Amino acid sequence: RKEVEQDPGPFNVPEGATVAFNCTYSNSASQSFFWYRQDCRKEPKLLMSVYSSGNEDGRFTAQLNRASQYISLLIRDSKLSDSATYLCVVPLISSGSARQLTFGSGTQLTVLP
Amino acid sequence: NAGVTQTPKFQVLKTGQSMTLQCAQDMNHEYMSWYRQDPGMGLRLIHYSVGAGITDQGEVPNGYNVSRSTTEDFPLRLLSAAPSQTSVYFCASSYSISQPQHFGDGTRLSIL
Repeated sequence: RKEVEQDPGPFNVPEGATVAFNCTYSNSASQSFFWYRQDCRKEPKLLMSVYSSGNEDGRFTAQLNRASQYISLLIRDSKLSDSATYLCVVPLISSGSARQLTFGSGTQLTVLP
Repeated sequence: NAGVTQTPKFQVLKTGQSMTLQCAQDMNHEYMSWYRQDPGMGLRLIHYSVGAGITDQGEVPNGYNVSRSTTEDFPLRLLSAAPSQTSVYFCASSYSISQPQHFGDGTRLSIL
């Protein structure tokens, strides 16, 4: 099983729709999680950090389910500018400490007019 | 505040050539890392450093060397370029592994 797995996508949604992505992780000891967005192979940019059960920032909500080992990203009222690839990022725990980040392969979102 | 600066932005090499990709950050971050991203794939960790003088291998370290003589700089060296190393390379830094990473703009590298 991969360390981090994401919905493969692509997701094509109309403007104004609500869309959700899931990300599962294999190491139950992971404590912090991140969602990044990446546009056309430009540098990834932080969207949200998740350290507890979840986080909300405007139209974006991230939820963490430790029992099932997944985090989700919910985007409400989708905008054309939300079109991007969304990356799930989890620290890799080795010998009791986190020293590397593992990136999911990304979920592509296209918001259609 | 420049953040994370990568140079060059684009580079074309011939097979067998060597070169160094530069990465510098001005945020006093301890943790720095190098990733490569191939078309249709996620970021894969090449090497990382948890502080000056300390480096370690990531997922795909073969063919690359790094050093961390200062907190600010984390250069990536390609020893003998191969076509399989054609990729986009990103450098990133953060205060620690549990803090968000700041990325540079990337270096687009083609090996002929």
